[in-house]
Amino acid sequence: DTGVSQDPRHKITKRGQNVTFRCDPISEHNRLYWYRQTLGQGPEFLTYFQNEAQLEKSRLLSDRFSAERPKGSFSTLEIQRTEQGDSAMYLCASSKTHGENTEAFFGQGTRLTVV
Amino acid sequence: SQQGEEDPQALSIQEGENATMNCSYKTSINNLQWYRQNSGRGLVHLILIRSNEREKHSGRLRVTLDTSKKSSSLLITASRAADTASYFCAPLYSSASKIIFGSGTRLSIRP
Repeated sequence: DTGVSQDPRHKITKRGQNVTFRCDPISEHNRLYWYRQTLGQGPEFLTYFQNEAQLEKSRLLSDRFSAERPKGSFSTLEIQRTEQGDSAMYLCASSKTHGENTEAFFGQGTRLTVV
Repeated sequence: SQQGEEDPQALSIQEGENATMNCSYKTSINNLQWYRQNSGRGLVHLILIRSNEREKHSGRLRVTLDTSKKSSSLLITASRAADTASYFCAPLYSSASKIIFGSGTRLSIRP
């Protein structure tokens, strides 16, 4: 157990519906990442937060995707008007940005299937 | 691009043999991290090597870093079936750089 939890683990939705995923990072971590991964590919960076501030959002990410980390703790990723191409594993990770150990700890992911 | 590039893309070896995979990057780094991903799971951090280190060991893992060539290698000795996974490197240009990944090396261990 890495300490990062994601909910739900699996989500099946119909095309056009909105979905929201939640990530609870390790409590003392100030950095939180969202990635998307499809079969055979590496994790594709989507966005990241430093505390509650969203520092960057991938240029490849459409306006249908939005993420928040309102109190600098848990984060949510919302996809509006889902498309079949959104089917993927969505991974969350957290880390520290100072001190000795700045590696990322990952959750188990949320697998989204859009039908 | 900030991400590292892993090479080879895929590697298949016999159980018990050693596996070596490489990572190249573009500019000076603060540290470089290696991660493993088993099928359908999240990534797991393996080892971090700092820019002033040349070699680091952790169990059956040995990581080297050559900053003059802007490359790193990950050696897994005496491979086991459980080492079958994808391996990713993440070069960090400062301690506060975002962690991003390339396509990885898919390692298969044959029994």
